[in-house]
Amino acid sequence: QVQLVQSGAEVKKPGASVKVSCKASGYTFVDYYIHWVRQAPGQGLEWMGWINPNSGGTNYAQKFQGRVTVTRDTSISTAYMELSRLRSDDTAVYYCARGIYSSGTYHSFDSWGQGTLVTVSS
Amino acid sequence: DIQMTQSPSSLSASVGDRVTITCRASQTINTYVNWYQQKPGKAPNLLIYGASSLQSGVPSRFSGSGSGTDFTLTISSLQPEDFATYYCQQSYNTPLYTFGQGTKLEIK
Repeated sequence: QVQLVQSGAEVKKPGASVKVSCKASGYTFVDYYIHWVRQAPGQGLEWMGWINPNSGGTNYAQKFQGRVTVTRDTSISTAYMELSRLRSDDTAVYYCARGIYSSGTYHSFDSWGQGTLVTVSS
Repeated sequence: DIQMTQSPSSLSASVGDRVTITCRASQTINTYVNWYQQKPGKAPNLLIYGASSLQSGVPSRFSGSGSGTDFTLTISSLQPEDFATYYCQQSYNTPLYTFGQGTKLEIK
């Protein structure tokens, strides 16, 4: 079965960087986009960006441009999200999710990682 | 950017009730809407894609409708396990995928 397993919780100081991993199994890694979504405590879902694991191409929400980098290592079916210049309001659970196309046209997120809590505190 | 606005933000209902949640897009998005359910401490779960197509494994009491700018998620007969937060998402303005702010469904 499709499974996305993320790395463990992180505590970082303001100004530092964090790198979260997302290891995929149960499907061909390069055939599906990987998205990153975050959720601040008590708040809604916020889409951050995606990577095409086949080409390595990426796209990011404007809010995170210049601070977020999504990469992948196809040899171990793992995607990474690195967020730099962390601030206290970056404290959130970060999810990876698999993007699929249905009916050839509709893109949605059908499988999700368990989430990684990143706490930014001095 | 396309904004997705859900209403209501919260809703109280009883087991067996029929419930409708609304999502409005800031511009027309055809039928490029997905719906997700999220329970506390868990990752979201895809319910509906393409505005009205039921994701495999999702109970048939869930249904979606709409096109253009106005969309609805309906639960025909609420079950105890349906109390959760629901999010709409647009997939029209790719490569961007924005979510609504969520609707929390609580037990009355």
